[in-house]
Amino acid sequence: AQSVSQHNHHVILSEAASLELGCNYSYGGTVNLFWYVQYPGQHLQLLLKYFSGDPLVKGIKGFEAEFIKSKFSFNLRKPSVQWSDTAEYFCAVTLQPASGGSYIPTFGRGTSLIVHP
Amino acid sequence: DTAVSQTPKYLVTQMGNDKSIKCEQNLGHDTMYWYKQDSKKFLKIMFSYNNKELIINETVPNRFSPKSPDKAHLNLHINSLELGDSAVYFCASSQSAAHLTKNIQYFGAGTRLSVL
Repeated sequence: AQSVSQHNHHVILSEAASLELGCNYSYGGTVNLFWYVQYPGQHLQLLLKYFSGDPLVKGIKGFEAEFIKSKFSFNLRKPSVQWSDTAEYFCAVTLQPASGGSYIPTFGRGTSLIVHP
Repeated sequence: DTAVSQTPKYLVTQMGNDKSIKCEQNLGHDTMYWYKQDSKKFLKIMFSYNNKELIINETVPNRFSPKSPDKAHLNLHINSLELGDSAVYFCASSQSAAHLTKNIQYFGAGTRLSVL
């Protein structure tokens, strides 16, 4: 079965530090990739997405992610984090099962990021 | 205006009870979802409906029954609640299922269910 792994469950950084959150998926076919963010007390919202084209995608608030097909990875990066980036970050993949049928959105377990001022 | 709203926000109940969580979206989307987020933060899809038709049903106990009276609503009814049902349940919607793989999902704020 397809799966999404986020290796860092808890990340604590100081403001201005650089951020990289790992995301790997297990599926050999065509995938579409997402990063969602959940700020404290708020609902999940889209941070950025990759469907095709340039593997380096830019999202809101200075975030970017790079799709590396050979590594089955879609890591999230930000050169300089702010206190307001404190949130839960979820990587998600939507793909079609090998047996066919509806596309299934699959989420990683999330990474909790705390940024100290 | 809240795009995807679910009620209640918190639900505390005893084992064996039956409860419902409601979800409504005002985005005009065709597709709606229910997710369960466990204590380890795993977000797992349970069901998806497209225009009132069930299209995803991911190995969920049949104590869980989704109901979609129209495409703007997807309610979740849970019978005979068990301790393991304690979790946060998220509703979401997306534009359509026809291009499901490319759809961005819009989430509700979640319902925290505690079964005692």
